[in-house]
Amino acid sequence: GQQLNQSPQSMFIQEGEDVSMNCTSSSIFNTWLWYKQDPGEGPVLLIALYKAGELTSNGRLTAQFGITRKDSFLNISASIPSDVGIYFCAGPTQGAQKLVFGQGTRLTINP
Amino acid sequence: DTAVSQTPKYLVTQMGNDKSIKCEQNLGHDTMYWYKQDSKKFLKIMFSYNNKELIINETVPNRFSPKSPDKAHLNLHINSLELGDSAVYFCASSQNDRSNYGYTFGSGTRLTVV
Repeated sequence: GQQLNQSPQSMFIQEGEDVSMNCTSSSIFNTWLWYKQDPGEGPVLLIALYKAGELTSNGRLTAQFGITRKDSFLNISASIPSDVGIYFCAGPTQGAQKLVFGQGTRLTINP
Repeated sequence: DTAVSQTPKYLVTQMGNDKSIKCEQNLGHDTMYWYKQDSKKFLKIMFSYNNKELIINETVPNRFSPKSPDKAHLNLHINSLELGDSAVYFCASSQNDRSNYGYTFGSGTRLTVV
C-alpha cells in the first residue's frame, strides 16, 4: 500500500533555530497534509497542499508540495518552546477514502 | 465547544474485560474514523463510517466492533481485551468521505490493559 517515510525521526535543537523536515513516498500523492501532535492531544492540521510545486505558509511554518508529487517539506523558522511536539505528514490514499500517516518527526527544543 | 470529543480520556482495565470508547462530533461532518496510535506513535486507521454506514474495515480483530447510531456518534466496543490492545485510540471526523481536506481529531483515549 501507499506509505509515507518521514525524516528525521527526531530533532533536538536550540530555541531560535530553523527546522526542516521532509516526507517521501514511492507513490504519487495529490494532496499533502502536515499535522502537529502535542503531548496528550490529538493531531491538529497545520497546512494542506493541493498542487505540485505549491508553497504555503502558516505563520512561521512553510510547507512545499514536491514537484514529483512524491515528497513534501515542512520548515519552521525561529523555533519557540511551543513548537515542541510530533509532526506528521499525511496523504489520502487512491480513492481518497482514508489518510495514511508518516511515522512522525519528534521535535525537542532546548531553551 | 469541543469539536470531536472522546470519553473516557484514560481507561485502565484487566485482560479479558470488555470496554467501550465513545466519540461525538458537533461539526456536522458526514464521516467518522477510528485510528490506533501505537507506542512508537504510528497512526493506523481501523474503521470509517459515512452517514452511519461502514466504509472501511481494516484488518482489525473481530473483538473490535464499531457502532454508529447516527452520523454524529461513533463508538468502539472491544471484547476480551488483550495486552496488545494497549494504545491510544483516536476518533476523527471529516466533512465527507473524501479525505483530501484532512480530519479533525479528538484528544484520544489512552487504553492500558493489565
